[in-house]
Amino acid sequence: AQSVTQLGSHVSVSEGALVLLRCNYSSSVPPYLFWYVQYPNQGLQLLLKYTTGATLVKGINGFEAEFKKSETSFHLTKPSAHMSDAAEYFCAVTPGFQKLVFGTGTRLLVSP
Amino acid sequence: DVKVTQSSRYLVKRTGEKVFLECVQDMDHENMFWYRQDPGLGLRLIYFSYDVKMKEKGDIPEGYSVSREKKERFSLILESASTNQTSMYLCASSLSQGGNEKLFFGSGTQLSVL
Repeated sequence: AQSVTQLGSHVSVSEGALVLLRCNYSSSVPPYLFWYVQYPNQGLQLLLKYTTGATLVKGINGFEAEFKKSETSFHLTKPSAHMSDAAEYFCAVTPGFQKLVFGTGTRLLVSP
Repeated sequence: DVKVTQSSRYLVKRTGEKVFLECVQDMDHENMFWYRQDPGLGLRLIYFSYDVKMKEKGDIPEGYSVSREKKERFSLILESASTNQTSMYLCASSLSQGGNEKLFFGSGTQLSVL
């Protein structure tokens, strides 16, 4: 069965600082991996996804994530945080067939 | 622009009531999903559908049912609402069964059962 662990329910950074949100997955088959973002009072939007090929994936708004099979990780990073990045971020995994399994989410707080 | 519309942003119901949550997508997507979102638990899949009149149970189907009579509409039904069904409900859709297609989400319905 697939599962996702997101370390830290809350992460606080200063504006301009590095953002690092951690995600580890468990999958019995090569996974598809996703990061979604949820802004206040909105649904989720796709930030980026890994399917096959290049392990460093670039997404919207300057975010990127690296698939590391040996570490079963798919951490999300952004070099410089902006106030508008404050949101909740969800990592998700699927072996295919669209049945995504989501992590519990990490709320990113950005201070001036 | 693609759109998934959920009929209500906020809903307050009493225990024992039958509740309908409606979701409509305008993208001709094959797949539709209902999730519930609870603090500390993330999103959990209730039911999904790959085609009209087709439905499959997700991880937490107990107490819920669904209906998909038309491709664009996917309804979630709480047969007899209970307080533990107070939650944020999110509808989503996607194009194909390939597994790597992104989900498009509605903005959610916050249901309170009193």
